Amino acid sequence: NAGVTQTPKFRVLKTGQSMTLLCAQDMNHEYMYWYRQDPGMGLRLIHYSVGEGTTAKGEVPDGYNVSRLKKQNFLLGLESAAPSQTSVYFCASRRDSVNYGYTFGSGTRLTVV
Amino acid sequence: AQSVTQLGSHVSVSEGALVLLRCNYSSSVPPYLFWYVQYPNQGLQLLLKYTSAATLVKGINGFEAEFKKSETSFHLTKPSAHMSDAAEYFCAVSDTGGFKTIFGAGTRLFVKA
Repeated sequence: NAGVTQTPKFRVLKTGQSMTLLCAQDMNHEYMYWYRQDPGMGLRLIHYSVGEGTTAKGEVPDGYNVSRLKKQNFLLGLESAAPSQTSVYFCASRRDSVNYGYTFGSGTRLTVV
Repeated sequence: AQSVTQLGSHVSVSEGALVLLRCNYSSSVPPYLFWYVQYPNQGLQLLLKYTSAATLVKGINGFEAEFKKSETSFHLTKPSAHMSDAAEYFCAVSDTGGFKTIFGAGTRLFVKA
């Protein structure tokens, strides 16, 4: 009954460093998403995937890259971290039908100093 | 384009009082609407969803929402607030293509003893 698992849960990066956030789901969902949550701004979509091997840009894609090599995993990469990328990152997955809601992970709190 | 507006970033009620969280949407097609709840330091959890089957939708923890097309609203209610309802609540609408969900900015609910 794992659902959506995000690793790591916390990370502190220095400006210019790179890192990868991992999202894994065990529900055989087709669609996966990466959001960032900032105070007063709700959730903003970074990138998403509608199936293995596919990715697409969301609302705020700059500075991020993603890959979906396996159906169950969706990776979010920061090539050169900036303080503006300090945020809480959430991964979510969903079945391939619009009337299903998302299942969210518990989040990754990233601080860039 | 689809959008969601949540009226009031903070709502405070007394324990046992009615909870009313307001959400208005904009959609060029019949919408799929959702309410999510986020407890501190957790991911979002689906509370309920409207998928055109019935205008009054019941969700978990005693919450319900009514879809009113004429008012483009999907307000969330609960007859009697409990301390455990203190959380942040997000209204959301699926985009036209059905691949993505657009979230409101959120309403933080405070429950006073």
